[in-house]
Amino acid sequence: NAGVMQNPRHLVRRRGQEARLRCSPMKGHSHVYWYRQLPEEGLKFMVYLQKENIIDESGMPKERFSAEFPKEGPSILRIQQVVRGDSAAYFCASSPLEKGTQYFGPGTRLLVL
Amino acid sequence: GENVEQHPSTLSVQEGDSAVIKCTYSDSASNYFPWYKQELGKRPQLIIDIRSNVGEKKDQRIAVTLNKTAKHFSLHITETQPEDSAVYFCAASIGSSNTGKLIFGQGTTLQVKP
Repeated sequence: NAGVMQNPRHLVRRRGQEARLRCSPMKGHSHVYWYRQLPEEGLKFMVYLQKENIIDESGMPKERFSAEFPKEGPSILRIQQVVRGDSAAYFCASSPLEKGTQYFGPGTRLLVL
Repeated sequence: GENVEQHPSTLSVQEGDSAVIKCTYSDSASNYFPWYKQELGKRPQLIIDIRSNVGEKKDQRIAVTLNKTAKHFSLHITETQPEDSAVYFCAASIGSSNTGKLIFGQGTTLQVKP
């Protein structure tokens, strides 16, 4: 059973470009969480999705950030018009249950030049 | 808002000694407390978790204790080994939330000296 997959593992963007991060949950998991980790810091919750639904986006910046988890395919975190402050590691986690154990992917390290 | 404080931020021990990391949480309704280990450049890996209906849980050299009254929980690693060196994060669920989202502590960098 493959674990949580994320791609790309590393992403370099120039200011103003778009970043698109993908997360494939573990097989059988329909709950996806996105977290952001700044250097030397803990993980901060961004958004929680179930298939085709955003359940909780209370940690997501109001502008430029969006997330989706379509019926088919991976969950996508999209950052438009990136700025240097968006540079961070973005982790997704999946769970088989609404309040179940969360298993993390390897992360996408975004660097904005 | 909800908050999790973790101490110490760094911890250095000799191989074979025990290590203890402590966390306090603010939301009295929190009921799930996982611990994750993160090696440099890697994903956070769950090492142990505890729910609020128990006070202690043990898995080989790792144990977690929970004091709901004081709102704190601790990770205990016995007989430490160099491969235990990593950053450890505690987390707590948000009691008022039905989503399972976690609030993380700031992390503890554990160094085990051979």
